Amino acid sequence: KAGVTQTPRYLIKTRGQQVTLSCSPISGHRSVSWYQQTPGQGLQFLFEYFSETQRNKGNFPGRFSGRQFSNSRSEMNVSTLELGDSALYLCASSQKDTNEQFFGPGTRLTVL
Amino acid sequence: AQSVSQHNHHVILSEAASLELGCNYSYGGTVNLFWYVQYPGQHLQLLLKYFSGDPLVKGIKGFEAEFIKSKFSFNLRKPSVQWSDTAEYFCAVTNTNAGKSTFGDGTTLTVKP
Repeated sequence: KAGVTQTPRYLIKTRGQQVTLSCSPISGHRSVSWYQQTPGQGLQFLFEYFSETQRNKGNFPGRFSGRQFSNSRSEMNVSTLELGDSALYLCASSQKDTNEQFFGPGTRLTVL
Repeated sequence: AQSVSQHNHHVILSEAASLELGCNYSYGGTVNLFWYVQYPGQHLQLLLKYFSGDPLVKGIKGFEAEFIKSKFSFNLRKPSVQWSDTAEYFCAVTNTNAGKSTFGDGTTLTVKP
């Protein structure tokens, strides 16, 4: 089985721009979660989707949004980028929301 | 709100030393517990998990963890570490009601050869 894939792997943006990150889960996995990983903050939960519905949301501002498509692929959007949004964004999929998660390689976002 | 606390941010050991990484969580309901590992340059991957049953669970590469419900703890152990265990270790808790996962801040383990 192919693993979780994320595109792009690296992104450089400037403040004020917006960005869309993509995640393809493992085939058959219907739950997709997004995390922000930074050296000082560890892994911070952004949101979780299951069957195209957002079921859980972390404590991030409304500039962070996401969606899931009928094929379980998910996108995450960040609008009006700030310097502090520079981080590794990880996507994880699981068969059920309470099962172990399988992580992708992440998208490294740098905001200048 | 659920939270996870990992007691050590950075642990340095020599090869063959024993390892114990602490993890405590706060949530009164039923949880699933996980330890994930991130080797340098690699993805986060599952080390071991606890859903129910025997509170002592064994994972890959000789790791084990013990769930102590009364202490809200899920500490990771390995009797004898190897240089290849150098990695970052994350404890995670999933609330079985809401399906929400919370990760600890991670512990960086450095094993000196």
